[in-house]
Amino acid sequence: EPEVTQTPSHQVTQMGQEVILRCVPISNHLYFYWYRQILGQKVEFLVSFYNNEISEKSEIFDDQFSVERPDGSNFTLKIRSTKLEDSAMYFCASIAGVDEQYFGPGTRLTVT
Amino acid sequence: QQQVKQSPQSLIVQKGGISIINCAYENTAFDYFPWYQQFPGKGPALLIAIRPDVSEKKEGRFTISFNKSAKQFSLHIMDSQPGDSATYFCAATSSGSARQLTFGSGTQLTVLP
Repeated sequence: EPEVTQTPSHQVTQMGQEVILRCVPISNHLYFYWYRQILGQKVEFLVSFYNNEISEKSEIFDDQFSVERPDGSNFTLKIRSTKLEDSAMYFCASIAGVDEQYFGPGTRLTVT
Repeated sequence: QQQVKQSPQSLIVQKGGISIINCAYENTAFDYFPWYQQFPGKGPALLIAIRPDVSEKKEGRFTISFNKSAKQFSLHIMDSQPGDSATYFCAATSSGSARQLTFGSGTQLTVLP
């Protein structure tokens, strides 16, 4: 069964460093998302991406964040200068075009 | 108005019992309501979903009840099993958006053997 994959599973970085989180969505899906989950809290929407551009973003997704689909398979989230409060699980999700949104296993980002 | 409120925060049931988790929303533009199951260290997994044109949807031991006028929906887990112990999130989205999900705060379910 096709699935969303994410790498790395765990990333430790120092405050102020840049990180890139990678996702490979399900191959025939058209819409891609990044969500964040701070430990013990709910999942929060960051950004959606369709047709090679951002379609919607939340207030969390400020100028420190960017997304890119550099090729036909990868979808990346970049945080330019990490802060302590960026420590969270980051989930990529994709959708074929209707409603069923499938999530990857997540990347745990730890900012020290 | 974008919030989805979920209760209870935690729930403990005996094996074989019924687990009930409730959610309420304000945004009448929401038109798709999925439930996700999440195990520790894993991503949310789609469990079951409903649209507001039906009042109930059943898949195996899992049932969603939907009350459009009250803007509430709930997940019922029949014959709860220890393997059902996980965190459950309700969510909602609208066709007028980029289909991003608004999640509830989650319910940690523990099923005792």
